[in-house]
Amino acid sequence: LAKTTQPISMDSYEGQEVNITCSHNNIATNDYITWYQQFPSQGPRFIIQGYKTKVTNEVASLFIPADRKSSTLSLPRVSLSDTAVYYCLVVGQGGKLIFGQGTELSVKP
Amino acid sequence: GAVVSQHPSRVICKSGTSVKIECRSLDFQATTMFWYRQFPKQSLMLMATSNEGSKATYEQGVEKDKFLINHASLTLSTLTVTSAHPEDSSFYICSALGQGGNEQYFGPGTRLTVT
Repeated sequence: LAKTTQPISMDSYEGQEVNITCSHNNIATNDYITWYQQFPSQGPRFIIQGYKTKVTNEVASLFIPADRKSSTLSLPRVSLSDTAVYYCLVVGQGGKLIFGQGTELSVKP
Repeated sequence: GAVVSQHPSRVICKSGTSVKIECRSLDFQATTMFWYRQFPKQSLMLMATSNEGSKATYEQGVEKDKFLINHASLTLSTLTVTSAHPEDSSFYICSALGQGGNEQYFGPGTRLTVT
């Protein structure tokens, strides 16, 4: 399973766009990149998943360069309720997930 | 979307007793479920992979005789913490693998406190 590296923490203000970059240098050909959000005392919540290029849904965008060794989660116009821990994970066959430290995002008014 | 439930949401038990936590996939069948443990201010740690109809696969350092996992149906996996001790107090989270094979849906977690 590919190891992921992401910033431990980030600060932002309401209304700003937040980009969290994750590196996964050892990603395998069949691996997908998935991002989860976790609030205190809750289970992680799926945000977005992608394999290459760009994926967009109603809450976020995921940018993946051609070499797939990194990915960037983009949260448009964050609000206070987006304060959470964000995890970047590489998912291989069988679905096994190994969580890294995650990025603790703090959104300030 | 896919929903995974856990029961109970929180439990307090006395040292030496056993506690069972249930994980259910409510609207899909899950041949594979996972159990995680999370201590305060830390990330999730994978404990074991639960496969329907077969023995669970435990991660290194996780005692299989202490954390009994049963996955008797396609919608239910249980984790039993046997002879619980205060150091077992933690947040236990399960997840179920979606039928696509890449999506994993998490339960809301169970807060275990051992006194």
